[in-house]
Amino acid sequence: DAKTTQPPSMDCAEGRAANLPCNHSTISGNEYVYWYRQIHSQGPQYIIHGLKNNETNEMASLIITEDRKSSTLILPHATLRDTAVYYCIVRASYSGGYQKVTFGTGTKLQVIP
Amino acid sequence: DVKVTQSSRYLVKRTGEKVFLECVQDMDHENMFWYRQDPGLGLRLIYFSYDVKMKEKGDIPEGYSVSREKKERFSLILESASTNQTSMYLCASSLPLAGDTQYFGPGTRLTVL
Repeated sequence: DAKTTQPPSMDCAEGRAANLPCNHSTISGNEYVYWYRQIHSQGPQYIIHGLKNNETNEMASLIITEDRKSSTLILPHATLRDTAVYYCIVRASYSGGYQKVTFGTGTKLQVIP
Repeated sequence: DVKVTQSSRYLVKRTGEKVFLECVQDMDHENMFWYRQDPGLGLRLIYFSYDVKMKEKGDIPEGYSVSREKKERFSLILESASTNQTSMYLCASSLPLAGDTQYFGPGTRLTVL
């Protein structure tokens, strides 16, 4: 899997948009960008994933640059419950075998009242 | 919504005890995984199962065994618990393609005294 680089920490004011960047300059053509988050002492929560088009769901939006070397996760109206460590990973999808999830150090997002 | 549940959130056991950690998913997923998560070491895959009664070792299977008698249930067994098995244990499930989204349970924090 391609490696990712994220800032170690970010702050965001409650109610504002949180924009979390991720660099994945060595991503290959069949690798998806995935985002998970982990609230303290809980299991990781899947947020969103995409290949090359921007994606949106009820939790967040994912913006992937045209060259696919970086992406941004957007939480449109951050709440205190969004305080967590956010992990960006890239994974290929193929038939056969298995593929473990490997988290880097992630970005610790602190939402401030 | 995918739901992955784990039998206990917190567990305290003594050295030498046999420990069972249960995981149940309700989405008819073929793949199920057991990870442990430790500070500074990230997620490490213990065992993986791609079908009933099928299992494969992950990166750190020593001291653990698993059982998958039904599709929805995947159990992790510590035959003789040791203090170095104190950790957060995470179960995950996914559809059969390697690289499919893995959905995690809430985690079991196991302390071995």
